[in-house]
Amino acid sequence: GEDVEQSLFLSVREGDSSVINCTYTDSSSTYLYWYKQEPGAGLQLLTYIFSNMDMKQDQRLTVLLNKKDKHLSLRIADTQTGDSAIYFCAETLQAAGNKLTFGGGTRVLVKP
Amino acid sequence: DAGVIQSPRHEVTEMGQEVTLRCKPISGHNSLFWYRQTMMRGLELLIYFNNNVPIDDSGMPEDRFSAKMPNASFSTLKIQPSEPRDSAVYFCASRGGTGTGVYEQYFGPGTRLTVT
Repeated sequence: GEDVEQSLFLSVREGDSSVINCTYTDSSSTYLYWYKQEPGAGLQLLTYIFSNMDMKQDQRLTVLLNKKDKHLSLRIADTQTGDSAIYFCAETLQAAGNKLTFGGGTRVLVKP
Repeated sequence: DAGVIQSPRHEVTEMGQEVTLRCKPISGHNSLFWYRQTMMRGLELLIYFNNNVPIDDSGMPEDRFSAKMPNASFSTLKIQPSEPRDSAVYFCASRGGTGTGVYEQYFGPGTRLTVT
């Protein structure tokens, strides 16, 4: 099965908070990442968290990590139409040379 | 910084032709990655280099694919001969070598390849 899993789609109203969820299987993950991909563009690194942290906040973005449940989430406060994109969760494993393993992506649609 | 640069941005070619994709990593980065993105398979790592040396090419689909990194500022991904199933967006990414930069991987804009 997939090492990193995400739900396919999320719809949210402008101004509300968005929460995108991700689960992973390997407990030896060192870093966990969130990338954003807009149509026709490459992947933009949004934020990442070291596996010994529970939370990281960066402006409108909050990352929560539950290592026991192997669950990662990205909360976007005051979601804007420009936040509409595909969001990818990814993990690195030190034993695998710190390669990134990506989830399938969550398409977020922000409605006005 | 200009970021990771890829060329061409779009490539349309006929089956059987050779295709060469190019990448210039961020200056000072010592790791370079080639990915392929398709609707069916998502993002797949094809190969990555550390200090210009290929470290893991287990993701390269078959012998028709080859990648080189002759110096720290340039890499190519070649497909010969190309097939319609190679149609995808190919991304190059690079990663820095010191401090927390070793964990930050930055992507280029991608090359959209269409093989007819």
